[in-house]
Amino acid sequence: EVQLVESGGGLVKPGGSLRLSCAASGFTFSSYSMNWVRQAPGKGLEWVSSISSSSSYIYYADSVKGRFTISRDNAKNSLYLQMNSLRAEDTAVYYCARESKVIYGDYVYWFDPWGQGTLVTVSS
Amino acid sequence: SSELTQDPAVSVALGQTVRITCQGDSLRSYYASWYQQKPGQAPVLVIYGKNNRPSGIPDRFSGSSSGNTASLTITGAQAEDEADYYCNSRDSSGNRRVFGTGTKVTVL
Repeated sequence: EVQLVESGGGLVKPGGSLRLSCAASGFTFSSYSMNWVRQAPGKGLEWVSSISSSSSYIYYADSVKGRFTISRDNAKNSLYLQMNSLRAEDTAVYYCARESKVIYGDYVYWFDPWGQGTLVTVSS
Repeated sequence: SSELTQDPAVSVALGQTVRITCQGDSLRSYYASWYQQKPGQAPVLVIYGKNNRPSGIPDRFSGSSSGNTASLTITGAQAEDEADYYCNSRDSSGNRRVFGTGTKVTVL
């Protein structure tokens, strides 16, 4: 069964740090780009960051650039998100998601599966 | 522009058809994918590419695209289709990903 399991969420004070992990199983982790997506309470989905299969290409949303760092360990089938200088507005459920792509004339991309999410609360 | 705009909410009578739209400049270059999210649950992929459904997704879900607009249609909506729906695509650079603002579907 293809599965993603996030961990590492919790309560942290503004300005603090937290490291999220995502454990992958049931597929060849090293063949896929991976993403972090978050959802603030009562709000919509927000893409946070992506990393290519070999870590060659890394991208961030403007809202987290310079504060968050995405990484992966293909030997451990794991994805990470190091979050520094946390703010109240970073409070959200953080999901990891596998990204697939195929060429149907043009490139087609999608996220599947998603993990169950881990809650990060930034509050004093 | 890197934004994808959706109507905040739509309602549909049980068994009727509803179309959810997603607008953005990047959709002229990239296909959208669509996700269903029920309260307290992770999003689930329902449509990707031109009109592809993952296994397990009912065939009442379909997708289409024209110009800068992608659409998700539910034909014969069921009570269990009541959820939030989000589109997703690349931004105009092709590097960053972007989600739509989300549409809450209510089945009456």
